[in-house]
Amino acid sequence: QVHLVQSGGGVVQPGRSLRLSCAASGFTFSDYAMYWVRQAPGKGLEWVTHVSLDGTYEYYADSVKGRFTISRDNSKNTLYLQMNGLRPEDTAVYYCARVSERYTSSSVGALGFWGQGTMVTVSS
Amino acid sequence: QSALTQEGSVSGTVGQKVTLSCTGSTNNIGSYTVGWYQQISHGAPKTVMFGNSLPSGIPDRFSASKSGTTASLTISGLQAEDEGDYYCSTWDSSLSGVVFGGGTKLIVL
Repeated sequence: QVHLVQSGGGVVQPGRSLRLSCAASGFTFSDYAMYWVRQAPGKGLEWVTHVSLDGTYEYYADSVKGRFTISRDNSKNTLYLQMNGLRPEDTAVYYCARVSERYTSSSVGALGFWGQGTMVTVSS
Repeated sequence: QSALTQEGSVSGTVGQKVTLSCTGSTNNIGSYTVGWYQQISHGAPKTVMFGNSLPSGIPDRFSASKSGTTASLTISGLQAEDEGDYYCSTWDSSLSGVVFGGGTKLIVL
């Protein structure tokens, strides 16, 4: 059974940093691309970033490029999101997610499993 | 403004069949697999379909299809517990990113 358990998050002042973690179990972590998706209060889902199977390729939304860094440790089955230079508009619930199918490039935008979410509040 | 367009709200009665749509372009829906997600009471999203595949544990009253640049999610035999927000997503090759629809609020009357 697939489980994605998130940790990190909280309240942080503008300009500061925060790191989110997502521990995976129930599947071969290194076989799947992994994602971070966020949802601002009262808004819809927004893709933030994702990383390829071995961490070689990273993709970012323009809104976070240069400030956020995604990484993964396949030996620990864990996904990370390092968030630097946080802004009030980064306030959201952040979800980690796994791609739906492995080894299929056409499915890169279809997500299969989601973590429980963690709230990040950027406020002075 | 989302790259994928969904209805703002759709309503139906228990037992009815409803269809939600997700309209995009040849750069996204026309070329890539679409995922559909259910979000109830602002909880974590749950994947209800990806492509034509039904994830384990999702009832078979959920189905999906795609025609050109429009994807559809159909719920046959609507149940009260299906009420919530539904989102679609896929890859967009022109944006080099994952795009989501704005979401459809499904109301079960």
